Order: sequence, then C-alpha cells, then structure tokens
Amino acid sequence: EVQLLESGGGLVQPGGSLRLSCVASGFTFRSHAMSWVRQAPGKGLEWVSRISGSGAETNYADSVKGRFIISRDNSQNTLHLQLSSLRVEDTAVYYCAKGREAYSIFENWGQGTLVTVSS
Amino acid sequence: EVVLTQSPATLSLSPGERATLSCRASQSVGSDLEWYQQKPGQPPRLLIYDAFNRATGIPARFSGSGSGTDFTLTISSLEAEDFAVYYCQHRHIWPLTFGGGTKVEIK
Repeated sequence: EVQLLESGGGLVQPGGSLRLSCVASGFTFRSHAMSWVRQAPGKGLEWVSRISGSGAETNYADSVKGRFIISRDNSQNTLHLQLSSLRVEDTAVYYCAKGREAYSIFENWGQGTLVTVSS
Repeated sequence: EVVLTQSPATLSLSPGERATLSCRASQSVGSDLEWYQQKPGQPPRLLIYDAFNRATGIPARFSGSGSGTDFTLTISSLEAEDFAVYYCQHRHIWPLTFGGGTKVEIK
C-alpha cells in the first residue's frame, strides 16, 4: 500500500523559513516524479513544485520560484521542500503527491501538513 | 501559463441524477488533462487521467471526455458519496495548473 506522510508544518513569521518532509513507502520511490501541491484555507489547489525520480530535474510555480527548493533523498525514500522568505499568502496545507512514473498525474496524495505564516 | 476554467462553480443535483462538469483550457493541452475529487478534510483523489482513462478503483459511473481545450467529467448517476468538489488539472506544459473547482452539492 502506498503511503505518503508529510511533516514539518507549523506557525512561522513572515520572512521566516521552514522545511517540509514527506516519507514515502509502498512503492519504488526513485521511479516516480514527486510534487508538492498546496491548498490555502477554503481555496482551491495550487501546484507548487515537482522533482524527477532521479532528482536531476526540478520545476516550480512562479509564485514560489527563488524562495522554495524541492529535493529528494532516494536512499531514505524522502521528499523535501525548503520554504524561505515566507509570506502570509503561503499559508496553506501542503500535500506531497506521487506522480504516475515520470508523469505529473497525481495518483497518490499524503494527508498534508499545515503551514501558517503570521506575525 | 494555461488557465483552466471550470463551470459551473456549483452544481445542485439530487442522487440518481446525471452530473456534467466542464473544464476549458486557455490553450490546447492535448489529452494531458486529469480530474480529481476532494471531500472535506481529505486530500484529493485521482479519478480520470489522460482526459478519459479511469484511475484504479474508480467506478464506471465516472467518465471523462474531450481534448484540446474542452473537457467534460460526467457522473452518470450520482450516489451519496459523490457530493464533493471536483478539480481538473493539466500537465501539458510548465507550470502545471488546476481549475478553480466545481462543487457538486445535494439539491
């Protein structure tokens, strides 16, 4: 059974930093692209970032480019998202999502971790 | 950036009725279009990928159609568990984007 378990969310001040993690199990982690998708309270879904199975390729939404960094450790089956220069508008539940092999078809999702940016 | 516009924003229907949800892209995305269902307090669930393929375990009452810029998700006969919010998403070019969602509510 595929499991994705996010952690690292919390309350942070504007301008602060946070590191999210997602531990994966139940599939061959290195064979799948992974993404982060966020959802602000009461709002829709917003794709944030994607990383290829090897980690060699990354992509970002314009809203986070230059502030967030996605990475993965295939030896630990773990996906990370480093959040920096956080803004109030980054407040959201952040979901880890498994791609269908190399494709960004999100066939499995974690339960999410809440990031709140507030002074 | 490809903008996905979903309509209607809210669909009020009764169990047993047919639901037709629309997703329109601002430029062609080929067949690189997915549909997700989300219930309150839960993560999204993949329903349809590549515009018309049902994901594993998805009932046959869900079907997808369309290509290019116009896509449709149809639920042939609504069951109680189908009342939720539905999102379309494309993966044709970066950045990926989602539509704003259609809420299917009980009439």
